[in-house]
Formats: sequence, C-alpha cells, structure tokens
Amino acid sequence: GAGVSQSPSNKVTEKGKDVELRCDPISGHTALYWYRQSLGQGLEFLIYFQGNSAPDKSGLPSDRFSAERTGGSVSTLTIQRTQQEDSAVYLCASSQTGTTSYEQYFGPGTRLTVT
Amino acid sequence: KQEVTQIPAALSVPEGENLVLNCSFTDSAIYNLQWFRQDPGKGLTSLLLIQSSQREQTSGRLNASLDKSSGRSTLYIAASQPGDSATYLCAVWGGADGLTFGKGTHLIIQP
Repeated sequence: GAGVSQSPSNKVTEKGKDVELRCDPISGHTALYWYRQSLGQGLEFLIYFQGNSAPDKSGLPSDRFSAERTGGSVSTLTIQRTQQEDSAVYLCASSQTGTTSYEQYFGPGTRLTVT
Repeated sequence: KQEVTQIPAALSVPEGENLVLNCSFTDSAIYNLQWFRQDPGKGLTSLLLIQSSQREQTSGRLNASLDKSSGRSTLYIAASQPGDSATYLCAVWGGADGLTFGKGTHLIIQP
C-alpha cells in the first residue's frame, strides 16, 4: 500500500511569504506527526494530531506556525511570514494510533528554502 | 525533558565487520524506542521498534537491544555491507507527544 506522502518535495520562497506544506498519511492511521530537521540540528518534534485534534501545540517554534487536519486524513502545516531560519526539511509521520506503541512511518519530507 | 545521545557521531569500518551503535536516553519512562536509517536527501526508514516491555528485536542482520532501567539501547549490525552506509537515528517515544531523536551516527562502510 501507499506510504506517507508529502508535497511539495521542494519549496523555495522569499522571506515574508506564506507557505503551506501538505501531508497525506497512511490510510487508516489515526495519529499524524510533524517534525523539522534543520541543517546541523537534530530532528525536532513540532505537533501531533490524534484524529483531527492537536492536544498540544507548544512544540511549534512560533505563532507564525499553524497546522490543521481535516477528515482525520490530510494535514497542512502553514508558515506565515517566512524567515530564513525556517529553512529546513519538514517531515511528516503517521502511526496506527497515538495512544499505544505503534511504529511511526515517515514521508520523504519537504525541503523548504527561504531566500 | 528527555534527551537522547548517540555515540559515536561517525564511524567508518571495512566491509564485513560487525559493529555496534549506541544510544542513551535520560528519562526511562518511555513507551518504545525506534531505530531509523536516513540516506542523504531522503526521509527516514524504520528499522526496528522495541516496546518498553521488550529487551530486543531482530531483523535480518540487525539486532537492537533495550535496557530501559539504565536508559540504553544498542544497534548491532552483522557482516556490514557498503549498502549499510547511512545515518542511523535512535528515537524514543514517551507517549504524550512526538519522538525525541538523537543526532545520529553517520556510518560509512568501506568496500
């Protein structure tokens, strides 16, 4: 079956513009996670959804970041007024449930470059 | 706050050798631990997942162990091959949010 897909694979944007990143999880997976991997940094957890709700948004780096998930499936991560420090690879993962110890499966990522 | 450390940061060995990658974590209250590999410019591929109640998992030439009380895991790779060259990441899940990752071990297998 299909894995986690993300689009676009690459995005170059000018500083100050808004961007929207999309994640399509594995069918039937109720939990969805967003991470960020910056050059020279480790993987940083941003937010997770159980169904359509996000219990804790404190991992988002600033109030310019927001995320939503509708229909228990596709999720979008929106970054408003992008800054150069937002340049990173944004990874999405899904798992069968967020409440038990199931594996997280990752998508290929979206490489965001802010110029 | 959970912290995950991986040692060594980089490793280069000749093909055919057996090798061990180390991972340690500060908070033993975890639900599971996952080992991933990441190839350059690619996403993460899950290699092994160990539940908190388990001591080890095996897949082919890979064996991962977990000692939750001491906050340690090891990934053992037998008979290494050039195709094993990648960055190996260890991550733990505390159940409340996302995975906490180490910074990885960059592995090079020399043909």
